[in-house]
Amino acid sequence: NAGVTQTPKFRVLKTGQSMTLLCAQDMNHEYMYWYRQDPGMGLRLIHYSVGEGTTAKGEVPDGYNVSRLKKQNFLLGLESAAPSQTSVYFCASRPLSLAGGETQYFGPGTRLLVL
Amino acid sequence: SQQGEEDPQALSIQEGENATMNCSYKTSINNLQWYRQNSGRGLVHLILIRSNEREKHSGRLRVTLDTSKKSSSLLITASRAADTASYFCAKNYGGATNKLIFGTGTLLAVQP
Repeated sequence: NAGVTQTPKFRVLKTGQSMTLLCAQDMNHEYMYWYRQDPGMGLRLIHYSVGEGTTAKGEVPDGYNVSRLKKQNFLLGLESAAPSQTSVYFCASRPLSLAGGETQYFGPGTRLLVL
Repeated sequence: SQQGEEDPQALSIQEGENATMNCSYKTSINNLQWYRQNSGRGLVHLILIRSNEREKHSGRLRVTLDTSKKSSSLLITASRAADTASYFCAKNYGGATNKLIFGTGTLLAVQP
């Protein structure tokens, strides 16, 4: 199992450009999450999904959109990047049942720099 | 904010010593989880403690939970240089979505 993978690992954007970050998991998990991590701020939840075709807003959703067209993929989109979106983005997933555990499994992260 | 506090922000110890880091929260939790993050990597789950538990062990890790004080501690015994990482507590307040609220973390440096 590859677990949770993220593409790309690193990206530089100019202000106003758009991009999509891809998260893929091969563990058949129902729940998927997108976080951003900034120095001194811990992780903050951007958007999450409790199943294929469903998404919901987290703590800091402004400026981002998401889609979960396939169970194994969770896409995070930036329509018009801003310097404030410079951050490290982490994707995580979790199975539905308590028997599968309540912990989240994290990807390696995507470093985004917006100039 | 439900984020709560973690302390210390940074901790430097010698190999073989014990490391203790603390986490506080503001409203009742379903469970509390500890994660480790090595530099430049994703988070890895360490241990989960439920609201009706007071102490859990996993190898060299010991976690306590005091719901009356709304606080938790992570103790790493006999630390190793490989334990150098950031440690985060994450609060689960329940509900169907299993959202986690992460603290700001403790940066642990274990000197060989």
